[in-house]
Amino acid sequence: GQQLNQSPQSMFIQEGEDVSMNCTSSSIFNTWLWYKQEPGEGPVLLIALYKAGELTSNGRLTAQFGITRKDSFLNISASIPSDVGIYFCAGRAPNAGGTSYGKLTFGQGTILTVHP
Amino acid sequence: SQTIHQWPATLVQPVGSPLSLECTVEGTSNPNLYWYRQAAGRGLQLLFYSVGIGQISSEVPQNLSASRPQDRQFILSSKKLLLSDSGFYLCAWSETSYEQYFGPGTRLTVT
Repeated sequence: GQQLNQSPQSMFIQEGEDVSMNCTSSSIFNTWLWYKQEPGEGPVLLIALYKAGELTSNGRLTAQFGITRKDSFLNISASIPSDVGIYFCAGRAPNAGGTSYGKLTFGQGTILTVHP
Repeated sequence: SQTIHQWPATLVQPVGSPLSLECTVEGTSNPNLYWYRQAAGRGLQLLFYSVGIGQISSEVPQNLSASRPQDRQFILSSKKLLLSDSGFYLCAWSETSYEQYFGPGTRLTVT
């Protein structure tokens, strides 16, 4: 099945710095999603991308759907302490039939720590 | 607006005991429903998904089972828990095959 490589695995930054993380796949996806999870809670959807080359922003967050359809990037500008958490990418492969309908493949997450 | 509930929030169970976790969704009809397990705060493993009442697909062979007795209810069960069943269990829903929305999760500790 598909696998997503998410990097970096963790980041330690100072408040105010910009953050970049990415996910790559060996196969194409037709949807990319980015989630944030805080300790003890479920992941929250941040940004959804549906077209190759698409660039979408949500406040200080910007994500892009790679042109090759095999990667996606998430940038956070001017980080603040409440940005801490685990960020996950997730991709949906082209529907290969009923058994793959709606299924997402998740990256292993990027742990973000922001020092005040 | 749609909301998703999971209970209990936390659970401590002895090895060999049964398990029942419940997930309900409000504000939508005929959603796709999913059960995930997350170990050590990293990586979500899809366990089961359902596209309708009584329709369950299993992703990995395991000690768990799932059922969907009603349109917006999804249950995760086990007859006898193993130590390896410990983890953070997440339920999610989607209306299409695109965005999935997660519940608050259940922290299960098997002792």
